[in-house]
Amino acid sequence: QEQLVESGGGLVKPGGSLRLSCEASGFSFSDYYMTWIRQAPGKGLEWISYISSTGTVIYYGDSVKGRFAISRDNTRNSLYLQMNSLRAEDTGVYYCAKGPEGYCSRTGCYVASSWFDPWGRGTLVTVSS
Amino acid sequence: QSALTQPASVSGSPGQSITISCTGTSSDIGGYNFVSWYQQHPGKVPKLMIYDVTKRPSGVSNRFSGSKSGNTASLTISGLQAEDEADYYCTSYTRISTWVFGGGTKVTVL
Repeated sequence: QEQLVESGGGLVKPGGSLRLSCEASGFSFSDYYMTWIRQAPGKGLEWISYISSTGTVIYYGDSVKGRFAISRDNTRNSLYLQMNSLRAEDTGVYYCAKGPEGYCSRTGCYVASSWFDPWGRGTLVTVSS
Repeated sequence: QSALTQPASVSGSPGQSITISCTGTSSDIGGYNFVSWYQQHPGKVPKLMIYDVTKRPSGVSNRFSGSKSGNTASLTISGLQAEDEADYYCTSYTRISTWVFGGGTKVTVL
């Protein structure tokens, strides 16, 4: 079955860096857009970033733009999130998710459907001195 | 990008129907049919319940349905059951190619 497993979370000081990984199995990873979503303790979900199947299209939420970088290695079925200049408000569980559905043509890459499914179990990032 | 607006809580008795609203703008919900809904039980991973406003993934009960009117999307749960007690989140694609979530709604089964 389709599975996503995140790793790389932990305790880091403000201003520090972490690199999260998400390993996919059970589906053709290179065919799908992938997304990072986070959830602060006791709070709601926040969309962070997504990357197209080929890695050519990337978007970020305002709260992480310029500090976080999403990437993927289709040969390793893996998604990554490089997090720099971390702040206390970045604390939370970070989920990777398959989706949204998208496609790329000679004119560009486009979203075709709104699902994020499945999700990994998440990895906890704690930013504290 | 401002978060979509959801009521903090909605409650109902077993067997009743409830509706959760999700209000955005013409730059997100009103501009695209890319709205999805997620159910999250305490300590669990969010689960996709509805996508593309009205579509239900296989395995999701047909008691869950979605709709949209203007800048507001809605999730309706009919025949409310104890297992439906959870947090529910909406999300929408936006005109700047990002995604935005609602603040979440806690559903309580009385």
